[in-house]
Amino acid sequence: GAGVSQSPRYKVAKRGQDVALRCDPISGHVSLFWYQQALGQGPEFLTYFQNEAQLDKSGLPSDRFFAERPEGSVSTLKIQRTQQEDSAVYLCASSLEAGSSYNEQFFGPGTRLTVL
Amino acid sequence: KQEVTQIPAALSVPEGENLVLNCSFTDSAIYNLQWFRQDPGKGLTSLLLIQSSQREQTSGRLNASLDKSSGRSTLYIAASQPGDSATYLCAPGASDDYKLSFGAGTTVTVRA
Repeated sequence: GAGVSQSPRYKVAKRGQDVALRCDPISGHVSLFWYQQALGQGPEFLTYFQNEAQLDKSGLPSDRFFAERPEGSVSTLKIQRTQQEDSAVYLCASSLEAGSSYNEQFFGPGTRLTVL
Repeated sequence: KQEVTQIPAALSVPEGENLVLNCSFTDSAIYNLQWFRQDPGKGLTSLLLIQSSQREQTSGRLNASLDKSSGRSTLYIAASQPGDSATYLCAPGASDDYKLSFGAGTTVTVRA
């Protein structure tokens, strides 16, 4: 079936605007992850969902970042009052089972956010 | 916290040369280690996943070795081609965690 998809692929926002980034994981995958990748760096963990439950949000950089997965499938990462330091690629990944790095993670193409 | 280092940060070779990419990590308690490829402006494509019980994994021209006790993995790419130009990232999966920790990657350029 289809892999992980993300939309939009590119987003340009003016400083102070709110943005919403969408992730469609592989159908049936229990686990969903969001990562942030700054230019020239590796991805950094933001948050983890097991089905609809957000079990870990320790990587969210501020309370302006909010993520949800209300029905245990599609997830949305929302950033309020965007700042220039939020400019990055936001990657979504899913894995079949719950709660272990033993399970291979499959990544989407990412959303490149540029805040002017 | 797992710290991952990839050396070199960048590599430029003529077509046909073999590539050797190094990854080191501080916490050897891992389940597995994944190698990913990332093209400019794109997401991550998984290349190889090597389990902690394995010493190496092969796929076509790619071979990854893992020395868990010393916290090292090496990705070998044989007979490089211009299409191999990309950034290569390694990510060990800790046995007591579900999130991946990534290195900053090695950016490879293969010159025709």
